[in-house]
Parts: sequence; structure tokens; C-alpha cells
Amino acid sequence: QQPVQSPQAVILREGEDAVINCSSSKALYSVHWYRQKHGEAPVFLMILLKGGEQKGHDKISASFNEKKQQSSLYLTASQLSYSGTYFCGTEIGDKIIFGKGTRLHILP
Amino acid sequence: GAGVSQSPSNKVTEKGKDVELRCDPISGHTALYWYRQSLGQGLEFLIYFQGNSAPDKSGLPSDRFSAERTGGSVSTLTIQRTQQEDSAVYLCASSSRAAGILREQFFGPGTRLTVL
Repeated sequence: QQPVQSPQAVILREGEDAVINCSSSKALYSVHWYRQKHGEAPVFLMILLKGGEQKGHDKISASFNEKKQQSSLYLTASQLSYSGTYFCGTEIGDKIIFGKGTRLHILP
Repeated sequence: GAGVSQSPSNKVTEKGKDVELRCDPISGHTALYWYRQSLGQGLEFLIYFQGNSAPDKSGLPSDRFSAERTGGSVSTLTIQRTQQEDSAVYLCASSSRAAGILREQFFGPGTRLTVL
């Protein structure tokens, strides 16, 4: 039931782009994305509710392919502040089941 | 406005002791969630409250874990006879969840539990 995220970790230089993938073996009705900076609480980024929908948050956007049961998070022209661990979550009943996270480290 | 608060921020206890972790959600948020995060791991769902009732306790790892919520507000997670594997950060989140729709969750800073 836990969504699978890839890659597990990625190191980028400031200004580079990154893609984080999230896939599920079960049908997806929505995908939630959160970011957790080191030593801090997770913070909401976005919820994708419809198949094929794309949403954006600053230079962070995401797509949701309901048919393929997957979502991708796109980080464009990454900034140092983007460093952290990104979690995707899928709704099962009344709760969100999160993936294990993707650690993103941005180098200056 | 005030966010989700948790207390204590850190708790060190001896194996076999009981501990209580507290969560104060954002005022008016009817949904409350507890998660556990072990070192370098993801967010493991423990329990969900809607108001004072817990429709989903499926994530509680054993009967040593229990939780309650009173007045539709404060929640307490209790771990009895703590074991070393219980060491983790326990996160609480609240949400203004409407029926059938999961909304943004606001997380507290967590309680870091260390069992010696």
C-alpha cells in the first residue's frame, strides 16, 4: 500500500532541475506532496486531485497520471532552500500513507 | 495564529517505563493524526481521529500503544512498557478535513523519544 518513491536521494547544483517520482500499486484518487527540511516538521506543498492534473508551487510543479498510478514532482532551477526530504502520500480511507521519501541536497 | 504544538519536545525514558506524548492541534481542526518517524525513515501512520473518535487505529504497532482525544482538541499518545525500538520522533498533524475530502495537514514539531 505504501507508494514507492524514486530516486531515494539526489544531489544537485543550484539551478539544476530534478524530478521525483511516486508510484502506487493501487488505484490513486489523489496524491499529496510534502517537504521536510532537516530537523523540521513536514510542510504541505500540494494535493493533486484529478488524473493528468498539474499544479504548481513557486518553481515546483507536479503531475498526476491516474491511469499509470503515478505522480511526478518537478523542481525547476533548484534553489538552496529546496533541500530537504520530499514525501508523496496516497489516500487510503481516511488517512494518507506516505512513501519513504526522497532526500534532495542542493549544492551552491 | 498558533500552529500545532507538541510536548515534550524531547523525552528520554528507561526501557519498561510508560510515556505520554501530547498534541495540541490548530483550533477548529476536527481531524488529528499521529505519525512515527524513525531515523532516516518515512512517515509511518499510527492513528487518525475525527473529533473524539478514532475511526482508524490500524497503524498502532502493538497494544502497548494507545491514544485518546478529548473535547475534540488535545490528544495524548501513550506508550506503555517502552522498548528501545519505540525510539523515534512522534509527529502529530491536524487538518480541517471535510467529509470525504482529505485536506492539507499541518504538522507539529514532534516529540523525540529515546528509550534507553
